[in-house]
Amino acid sequence: GEDVEQSLFLSVREGDSSVINCTYTDSSSTYLYWYKQEPGAGLQLLTYIFSNMDMKQDQRLTVLLNKKDKHLSLRIADTQTGDSAIYFCAESEGGGADGLTFGKGTHLIIQP
Amino acid sequence: GAGVSQTPSNKVTEKGKYVELRCDPISGHTALYWYRQSLGQGPEFLIYFQGTGAADDSGLPNDRFFAVRPEGSVSTLKIQRTERGDSAVYLCASSLDSPGTNEKLFFGSGTQLSVL
Repeated sequence: GEDVEQSLFLSVREGDSSVINCTYTDSSSTYLYWYKQEPGAGLQLLTYIFSNMDMKQDQRLTVLLNKKDKHLSLRIADTQTGDSAIYFCAESEGGGADGLTFGKGTHLIIQP
Repeated sequence: GAGVSQTPSNKVTEKGKYVELRCDPISGHTALYWYRQSLGQGPEFLIYFQGTGAADDSGLPNDRFFAVRPEGSVSTLKIQRTERGDSAVYLCASSLDSPGTNEKLFFGSGTQLSVL
């Protein structure tokens, strides 16, 4: 079945860039997503990328996709304390009815 | 409402009891999903509705779990004879787009279910 893997923790200093990595196994993934979850809150869609793209930039966020290696990354420039959260990578085939397959999430910890 | 609303936000019940969890999707969203998120895990798919019908219920763990969406808007997830292993956050999401397109899911804040 589909599998999405992420490292569990990432610690960065305030002002530095954060890079959160994700690998997936489903070669038929059509869309790949990054969601943010803050304590006690639902998941917030940050950004997504279509599988025929290799990069997408949105303000402080840059998504890189290496389809050959099935590797997705999220770069957050100038990391702030408000970026502290759990970040989930997710994939979808786009044609199935079973929604998204999520990774276990990466806890982003900001050091002052 | 502006977003996906779930009630209650917290539910504590005893083993063996029946519970209902409610989801109000974003107005106009035809697709509705239920996910379950256990501690330290990512959300796991349970069931998907397109309109009133359950298009895919392959994620429901067993026949104690059931969900309905009778009018194509509000959905209720029903769990019979609850077990301690059912304790988790139950997330609801809705989407404007149907499968085959970009499924941008918008999530509610979830219901924290605790089975004692």
